[in-house]
Amino acid sequence: NAGVTQTPKFQVLKTGQSMTLQCAQDMNHEYMSWYRQDPGMGLRLIHYSVGAGITDQGEVPNGYNVSRSTTEDFPLRLLSAAPSQTSVYFCASRSVTSLVQYFGPGTRLTVT
Amino acid sequence: AQSVSQHNHHVILSEAASLELGCNYSYGGTVNLFWYVQYPGQHLQLLLKYFSGDPLVKGIKGFEAEFIKSKFSFNLRKPSVQWSDTAEYFCAVTPNQAGTALIFGKGTTLSVSS
Repeated sequence: NAGVTQTPKFQVLKTGQSMTLQCAQDMNHEYMSWYRQDPGMGLRLIHYSVGAGITDQGEVPNGYNVSRSTTEDFPLRLLSAAPSQTSVYFCASRSVTSLVQYFGPGTRLTVT
Repeated sequence: AQSVSQHNHHVILSEAASLELGCNYSYGGTVNLFWYVQYPGQHLQLLLKYFSGDPLVKGIKGFEAEFIKSKFSFNLRKPSVQWSDTAEYFCAVTPNQAGTALIFGKGTTLSVSS
């Protein structure tokens, strides 16, 4: 199993550009989440999904969209990038029978 | 809303010193508790977890944590740290309800000098 994979590893955007961060898992997990990690702030939940077709907002959802058309994939879209979205983004997944989350390797995003 | 507080932002220890990192959460119901570790340049890994039963849980690499329900706490301990324990440590909680996500504390950076 590859576990949770994320692409790209690094990305630089200009203010106003849009892009999609990809996340995939091959463990058939129902729950998937997106977090951003900023120094001194820990990990903050952006959006999460409890299954295909179902998503909900987390603590810091503004400026981000998600969709969950399949169990495996949970892409995060930045609609119009802002410097405040410079961060490291982690995707995570877990099964409904186990509360342990598995994290991807992260995407380091810089918005100039 | 649920929240998690980690008392120490940065802890500096010498090798062989004992470690205790504080974690408190705010939620009145049943919770599931975790400590994750992030080594430099790596992604988060599970250190240990508590769901129910014995409130003293043991994890990997000699770490343990004690759940004290009356204090809403889940402190992480290690009797003797090593240089390789240098990392960022995150406490996290999820209420025992279906469809809820993990809430993290802000993290504690541990620096161990040899």
